[in-house]
Amino acid sequence: KNEVEQSPQNLTAQEGEFITINCSYSVGISALHWLQQHPGGGIVSLFMLSSGKKKHGRLIATINIQEKHSSLHITASHPRDSAVYICAVRTNFGNEKLTFGTGTRLTIIP
Amino acid sequence: DAGVTQSPTHLIKTRGQHVTLRCSPISGHKSVSWYQQVLGQGPQFIFQYYEKEERGRGNFPDRFSARQFPNYSSELNVNALLLGDSALYLCASRSPGQNYGYTFGSGTRLTVV
Repeated sequence: KNEVEQSPQNLTAQEGEFITINCSYSVGISALHWLQQHPGGGIVSLFMLSSGKKKHGRLIATINIQEKHSSLHITASHPRDSAVYICAVRTNFGNEKLTFGTGTRLTIIP
Repeated sequence: DAGVTQSPTHLIKTRGQHVTLRCSPISGHKSVSWYQQVLGQGPQFIFQYYEKEERGRGNFPDRFSARQFPNYSSELNVNALLLGDSALYLCASRSPGQNYGYTFGSGTRLTVV
């Protein structure tokens, strides 16, 4: 079993829909990251969370430390949001190793 | 300010050859991490360096090595290349302090033939 599990693996939605991507992890963490990867490989860091909730524009990320679960929400989705969204956790306070989930491929149809 | 820059962007090598990949972090970032991303999978941690010292090593064979220079740039070296080393190699840098996330480079796509 992977230390970081994401669901769904693939998600297709119509423009304007509310999107939720889930991440569960099985280890103690110091921080959880949500990242966005576009075709071609570039990765953009969206959020770093250790507790609570963060919002940036149409993106909202939440984390429940007790339940070892995080969600990424996208409101009023747009075709430009189409990308792979990856959850990654930092598990070791001594170094900066990130353990990644396998990603959720999001496609927003106009 | 330039982001994290990686070079080269693409590379084709033959089995058994050696390769050196380079990464320049954001100015002021002292931590550099390397990741390997095989097609269809999430990135896997290879190394992390901070202030020129290795702080973490992933589950990769000794053919993989890295170093960090006084200007905090970094090199990843892979010897005796195998077909399975074909992947996107990502470099990430991070500012000191717990409240900062990572900035990733665009990666080097290595193809071993």
